[in-house]
Amino acid sequence: GAGVSQSPRYKVAKRGRDVALRCDSISGHVTLYWYRQTLGQGSEVLTYSQSDAQRDKSGRPSGRFSAERPERSVSTLKIQRTEQGDSAVYLCASSFGGVDDGQPQHFGDGTRLSIL
Amino acid sequence: AQSVTQPDIHITVSEGASLELRCNYSYGATPYLFWYVQSPGQGLQLLLKYFSGDTLVQGIKGFEAEFKRSQSSFNLRKPSVHWSDAAEYFCAVGTLSGSARQLTFGSGTQLTVLP
Repeated sequence: GAGVSQSPRYKVAKRGRDVALRCDSISGHVTLYWYRQTLGQGSEVLTYSQSDAQRDKSGRPSGRFSAERPERSVSTLKIQRTEQGDSAVYLCASSFGGVDDGQPQHFGDGTRLSIL
Repeated sequence: AQSVTQPDIHITVSEGASLELRCNYSYGATPYLFWYVQSPGQGLQLLLKYFSGDTLVQGIKGFEAEFKRSQSSFNLRKPSVHWSDAAEYFCAVGTLSGSARQLTFGSGTQLTVLP
């Protein structure tokens, strides 16, 4: 379809391992976001990138979370040395605009990550 | 810093009854406000958004929301709830960070619909 696609849908990893989550955004969308959703706490933005520039959102343990954008409509969220607290649903979203234009974000179905 | 509060963690209504989900925000400038719905195992779907103009906005699936600046609220309403409306609902405010707009979400309200 023409929506935001995330893979895998489910990921189980042992604590300490590195994981990579993929997002294919909507063609033509400029800005791509990664959110982390935990039960009872809603969603918080982890990082976003506008075109080819990467902007990291503060608040996460620095250095363990990063996102790469190998293609304009593809992003990979990498989590290094995973911890049990990283277990959550990771949502990818993209929007057509970048600067203050009010464009809504379109979300993927998420990747549910479980750290053992 | 911006924040969004959804005071009701869980709401149960009977099918056919009216619904109102509360949302209060804190933001220094004129906000962009959104309501999203999430069904189990799925991502967030946009229900409606407020940018400017008419403070009563209509969305999909028969939902509407009213922006009240004096109360810093953006409550979601539906006159008659359907069983398929059972899901989790998130209110969000769009804020600027650098040159991109990102969303700050509330913690969500889980809606249960009784037959």
